[in-house]
Amino acid sequence: NAGVTQTPKFQVLKTGQSMTLQCAQDMNHNSMYWYRQDPGMGLRLIYYSASEGTTDKGEVPNGYNVSRLNKREFSLRLESAAPSQTSVYFCASSDHGYTFGSGTRLTVV
Amino acid sequence: QKEVEQDPGPLSVPEGAIVSLNCTYSNSAFQYFMWYRQYSRKGPELLMYTYSSGNKEDGRFTAQVDKSSKYISLFIRDSQPSDSATYLCAMSSGFSGNTPLVFGKGTRLSVIA
Repeated sequence: NAGVTQTPKFQVLKTGQSMTLQCAQDMNHNSMYWYRQDPGMGLRLIYYSASEGTTDKGEVPNGYNVSRLNKREFSLRLESAAPSQTSVYFCASSDHGYTFGSGTRLTVV
Repeated sequence: QKEVEQDPGPLSVPEGAIVSLNCTYSNSAFQYFMWYRQYSRKGPELLMYTYSSGNKEDGRFTAQVDKSSKYISLFIRDSQPSDSATYLCAMSSGFSGNTPLVFGKGTRLSVIA
C-alpha cells in the first residue's frame, strides 16, 4: 500500500546504545518530518527535510541526528540513547497535508 | 504561552451528540489549519483542512476558522462510537516544506453507544 513506512515498530534500548529509525515514503513527496509524541505533550517536531539534500532542526533536536538519504528515505539516529528519549516516534511526508507512518514505540531503560 | 492551545479532555458524549472541539493560537501568521484524527496506537490521519477564515463541511464534519479571534473549531454531527479517537489541530503559516505544521496536544474523544 502507498504511504509512509517506518521500521522498526517497537524497540527497547539500554541507556547509551545507539540506533537508527528508518522511514520511507512512496508518494514522491518533497518534504519529510520526524515528530515525537509523549503523553500530555502532543506532537513535537524533531527535524525536518523540506527537500532532498536539506535538513533543519525543529523544536526538540537535541540528542538526534537525521539523514535525508534520497527523496524517499529520511532516517533518525539516536547516538547515545537516554531514558528521556522514550517516546513514540512518527515520520511524515507532505505534499499538502501530512501523511504519517504508523510510528515506532521506543523504550530506553 | 504555547503557539497552539488545545484542551486535552477527555471528552465523553453519548452517541448522536454534536461534538465541538476547539483550538486557540497566538501566531497571526498562521493561514493553513488542519484537523487530524488519531486512533489508539496509530498514526494521525488528515481529516479536514481549511485556508484562512471561513467554514468547510465534509459529511458529518465541519471545520471553522475565525482568524480575528485566533480560534478554530471542529464540529462532529451525529457522533458515532467509531469517532472515538484523539483529535489534533495543526496549523502553519505556509504550505511549503519550510513551514512545518505546529500541532495542538490533542483532545481525546469517547462516543458512548
